[in-house]
Amino acid sequence: DSGVTQTPKHLITATGQRVTLRCSPRSGDLSVYWYQQSLDQGLQFLIQYYNGEERAKGNILERFSAQQFPDLHSELNLSSLELGDSALYFCASSVEIAGRRGEQFFGPGTRLTVL
Amino acid sequence: LAKTTQPISMDSYEGQEVNITCSHNNIATNDYITWYQQFPSQGPRFIIQGYKTKVTNEVASLFIPADRKSSTLSLPRVSLSDTAVYYCLVGDLESPDMGRRALTFGSGTRLQVQP
Repeated sequence: DSGVTQTPKHLITATGQRVTLRCSPRSGDLSVYWYQQSLDQGLQFLIQYYNGEERAKGNILERFSAQQFPDLHSELNLSSLELGDSALYFCASSVEIAGRRGEQFFGPGTRLTVL
Repeated sequence: LAKTTQPISMDSYEGQEVNITCSHNNIATNDYITWYQQFPSQGPRFIIQGYKTKVTNEVASLFIPADRKSSTLSLPRVSLSDTAVYYCLVGDLESPDMGRRALTFGSGTRLQVQP
């Protein structure tokens, strides 16, 4: 158990719909990262937040957005869903010590299926 | 971006030592090298991290030559449970946008351990 929680575990929805994935980082971790992993593909970095502010942006589509709240939990919003958005979505968190990012701890993921 | 190159796959037998090499020819002065392990349908798990020379922990060793243009993850006496995908990441952990380089997992090396 990494200490990072993600809800829901599974999500099945239809094309054109909007969903929200939730992540709670480990206690004390200020950084939250979101990744997408499609079937048999590597992890694609989407976006990183640090203490409520966006820190780094990866290959995140305009239809996707994220935010980190004051209690440090984060949400990833996916809208106008397409079949190709079906994937495992992972959240990770890390601590920052003296300005240096520590290792990432990954959650169990949310499996999104778009029908 | 410090692009990394790893073998797509490797095969080994239980009890053998496995060495996975990652090439990162344009590694920058402030870049660290981090390795993660991922089992199917699970989030990656941190294995080891280093900057130069050799780092060892309870599960692996990381060898980094003086020019730092490559690194080798060494897994001693592998077991069936070491069958997984291994990712090499390179990036500046102190940069606000550490960022996409240290967050680019790529396709990794798929290690298959046979009995």
